[in-house]
Amino acid sequence: EAQVTQNPRYLITVTGKKLTVTCSQNMNHEYMSWYRQDPGLGLRQIYYSMNVEVTDKGDVPEGYKVSRKEKRNFPLILESPSPNQTSLYFCASSSRGQANQPQHFGDGTRLSIL
Amino acid sequence: TQLLEQSPQFLSIQEGENLTVYCNSSSVFSSLQWYRQEPGEGPVLLVTVVTGGEVKKLKRLTFQFGDARKDSSLHITAAQPGDTGLYLCAGHRVDSNYQLIWGAGTKLIIKP
Repeated sequence: EAQVTQNPRYLITVTGKKLTVTCSQNMNHEYMSWYRQDPGLGLRQIYYSMNVEVTDKGDVPEGYKVSRKEKRNFPLILESPSPNQTSLYFCASSSRGQANQPQHFGDGTRLSIL
Repeated sequence: TQLLEQSPQFLSIQEGENLTVYCNSSSVFSSLQWYRQEPGEGPVLLVTVVTGGEVKKLKRLTFQFGDARKDSSLHITAAQPGDTGLYLCAGHRVDSNYQLIWGAGTKLIIKP
C-alpha cells in the first residue's frame, strides 16, 4: 500500500530535549516536505527536499533541521524544542515538486513541548 | 499574511443544503488544488484545476478555477454528513513551482 509513515504519532516532551520525527514514503517520490498545522494558520511549510541531498527552507524553518540521505526518508529534527513548537506536524511527498502533482500526506505527529 | 484567503472559516449546515467555499488571492497561480482533511488524518487531494475558467465535478462537488487563475470555489450540492471535514485549498504560484501556498481552511459540519 502506497503510504507516508510518520513516527511517533504523539509526543509530549520538555523544553530543550532534542527530538526527531521520522518520515518514510514507499512511492519512490522525489519531493518531500514538512508542514506544521496550527489553528487559524493552516499548513505552513517548514522545509522541503527536491531530491536526495537537496533541502531548502520553507516559510517557517527556524528551530528545525532536516536531512535527506536516502530517497525514502526525510526526518525532522528539533535540536532544542521550545513551547512555541507545540503543533501538529505533517510530512508529505509527491513524485515531483512541480505544479499539478498531488501531495501525499502522513497521518500527522502531535507534538507538545512543555 | 495569508496569500490564499479561504471563506468562510467555519460553516455548519443541515443535511441536504447547498454550500460554496471560496479561495481567493491577489496572486496568479499555475494550478490550484483542493484537499479534504478529517480529524486524525492528513489532507487528501480531491482535485487539481489548471486552466483559467476550468470546472471539474466530483459527484456532488463542483470545483471552479477563476478566469484569471487568482481564485477558486468549491460548491457542494445536497450536502451529506459524510462531507464533514476541513477543506483546504493550495496553489502553486506562477513564479514558484516548488512551493505550495496553503489557505487556512474551511471547517465544514453537516448536521443530519
